[in-house]
Amino acid sequence: AQSVTQPDIHITVSEGASLELRCNYSYGATPYLFWYVQSPGQGLQLLLKYFSGDTLVQGIKGFEAEFKRSQSSFNLRKPSVHWSDAAEYFCAVGELTEYGNKLVFGAGTILRVKS
Amino acid sequence: DVKVTQSSRYLVKRTGEKVFLECVQDMDHENMFWYRQDPGLGLRLIYFSYDVKMKEKGDIPEGYSVSREKKERFSLILESASTNQTSMYLCASSRKDSTGSDTQYFGPGTRLTVL
Repeated sequence: AQSVTQPDIHITVSEGASLELRCNYSYGATPYLFWYVQSPGQGLQLLLKYFSGDTLVQGIKGFEAEFKRSQSSFNLRKPSVHWSDAAEYFCAVGELTEYGNKLVFGAGTILRVKS
Repeated sequence: DVKVTQSSRYLVKRTGEKVFLECVQDMDHENMFWYRQDPGLGLRLIYFSYDVKMKEKGDIPEGYSVSREKKERFSLILESASTNQTSMYLCASSRKDSTGSDTQYFGPGTRLTVL
């Protein structure tokens, strides 16, 4: 069965600093990979997704992620963090079924931004 | 924009009560999902539906049932609420695209407290 590990429960970065959130997955086939963000009291918003093709994926709000098959990783990056990026971030791997993706989520990483 | 709405943001119920959580989407999506979100555990799939009157168990269906009588509406039912069902409940919807994959769009969540 597929699984997702987000090794960092909390991360604190200074505003303007770069950010990398780690995500490792376990899945036997070519994975469908997603990053979602959840602001306090809100639902999840899709940041970006990887299905195939270019392993560097651009998303919304200046985020990008790189798929590395050899490391089973899909880390999320942003070159300069803004205070509004403080939120919880979830990585997910999708098992493709005849209906679409059945998602398995990581436990999440809470990002704190200090001024 | 896809809009997924949930009937309540906050709900407080007593042990043993029957609880209904409602979800409505306005994008004519075939697939709908119910997740629960708990700190440190991420999101876990309870049930999903790929068509009207169709349902499939997710990873943690025990203690829950679902109903999908209309395409746009997916209900989660707690037949006899228990304190261990205190959680955040998130609904999502999706449609399979030409690649065979899909992207799930989430509602704002319902925070349920069972006393």
